[in-house]
Amino acid sequence: QKEVEQNSGPLSVPEGAIASLNCTYSDRVSQSFFWYRQYSGKSPELIMSIYSNGDKEDGRFTAQLNKASQYVSLLIRDSQPSDSATYLCAVNPLYSNTGNQFYFGTGTSLTVIP
Amino acid sequence: NAGVMQNPRHLVRRRGQEARLRCSPVKGHSHVYWYRQLPEEGLKFMVYLQKENIIDESGMPKERFSAEFPKEGPSILRIQQVVRGDSAAYFCASSPVGPGLANRETQYFGPGTRLLVL
Repeated sequence: QKEVEQNSGPLSVPEGAIASLNCTYSDRVSQSFFWYRQYSGKSPELIMSIYSNGDKEDGRFTAQLNKASQYVSLLIRDSQPSDSATYLCAVNPLYSNTGNQFYFGTGTSLTVIP
Repeated sequence: NAGVMQNPRHLVRRRGQEARLRCSPVKGHSHVYWYRQLPEEGLKFMVYLQKENIIDESGMPKERFSAEFPKEGPSILRIQQVVRGDSAAYFCASSPVGPGLANRETQYFGPGTRLLVL
């Protein structure tokens, strides 16, 4: 089982709709969770971080964390064509037996249709 | 903007040549990570370094690839005798702390080096 799993998509939503991106992780003691956005040909950029169960809102973005279900999601309200990108979920476990803190999912490709 | 810097941004090599990729972390960051991303694929961890030490190289191919992060200067990812399969985007990321305490820190990515092997 992969440490972090995401639906690769592609996910298509119409402009103005809510885009919902999901991520599950296998390490029960993971503490920190991050969402990165990566435009084609560009580097990943951090858009949200979340550490506690519940919702965290930042503008049009809402991250949701459920540690009991080992599930983290990203909601994008009022989706815009400029939101079209690949969204990467990253998990920073409390302990890492490899020394590498971060586990990345393979990303979900989102297309917002004008 | 004192973010992660990588150079060159684009590198073209012929099969059998050496590729040398450089990464300067955010000022004050002593933890550097290298990732490889093939077209249409996710980020693949390669190696995690601190100053003068390789902490985790579990993602590095056993041959031709090496990395260093000297006391002075940038981190270097070196690929010897490149093959076409090495063509990819190579990203460097840095963070201010390592595993264990304060693990709420994220990693900050550089712009990447696009390597093309002809």
